[in-house]
Amino acid sequence: EIVMTQSPATLSVSPGERATLSCRASQSVSSNLAWYQQRPGQAPRLLISGASARVTGIPARFSGSGSGTEFTLTISSLQSEDFAVYYCQQSYNWPLTFGGGTKVEIK
Amino acid sequence: EVQLLESGGGLVQPGGSLRLSCAASGFTFTNYAMSWVRQTPGKGLEWVSTVSGDGGRTFYADSVKGRFIISRDNSKNALYLQMNSLRAEDTAVYYCAKVWGGNYFDYWGQGALVTVSS
Repeated sequence: EIVMTQSPATLSVSPGERATLSCRASQSVSSNLAWYQQRPGQAPRLLISGASARVTGIPARFSGSGSGTEFTLTISSLQSEDFAVYYCQQSYNWPLTFGGGTKVEIK
Repeated sequence: EVQLLESGGGLVQPGGSLRLSCAASGFTFTNYAMSWVRQTPGKGLEWVSTVSGDGGRTFYADSVKGRFIISRDNSKNALYLQMNSLRAEDTAVYYCAKVWGGNYFDYWGQGALVTVSS
């Protein structure tokens, strides 16, 4: 099983600032990685697929990068609606696995 | 508009069974694999199971293999999860999710809470 590790667990950021979230895979997943956003009381929402492809309708301030074992989600200028928990997920092989999440909170 | 609506959650005793259903609409159901993903209260996400569009292939997490069965009825646009021999650690919100691209989840239901407790 591929273990996905996200850091930090909690990120405190002021509105308008940049947020950088990390996700590390225990073995290479090539570019088979997605990022999801989950707001309180809601289901997760797909933001990024293939490590860097923004899903239709996702604002340009969200960007993904990386390949192999190291990945990054960057939110260029945090808006109030971006304060949420973010998860990465590998789809390289079965079982599909998620990281433990990074909570982005208001500083 | 894609909609996924789960039903069938509830309270069940350890060792008991429960069947979740997911009604899908807004897309050509048979063209897409479907999955169940669960989330324990206050914790992260865990993939549970996936079934191919034609229902011919199924995949399970080790934690549920041999106890849970995923199935679908393409004539009814419905996805199911039969959960047997339930344990306390199966307590979670269970999401139905549409699979897109390389096994990503592009649409999710609102979730069904399953509580396993005596």
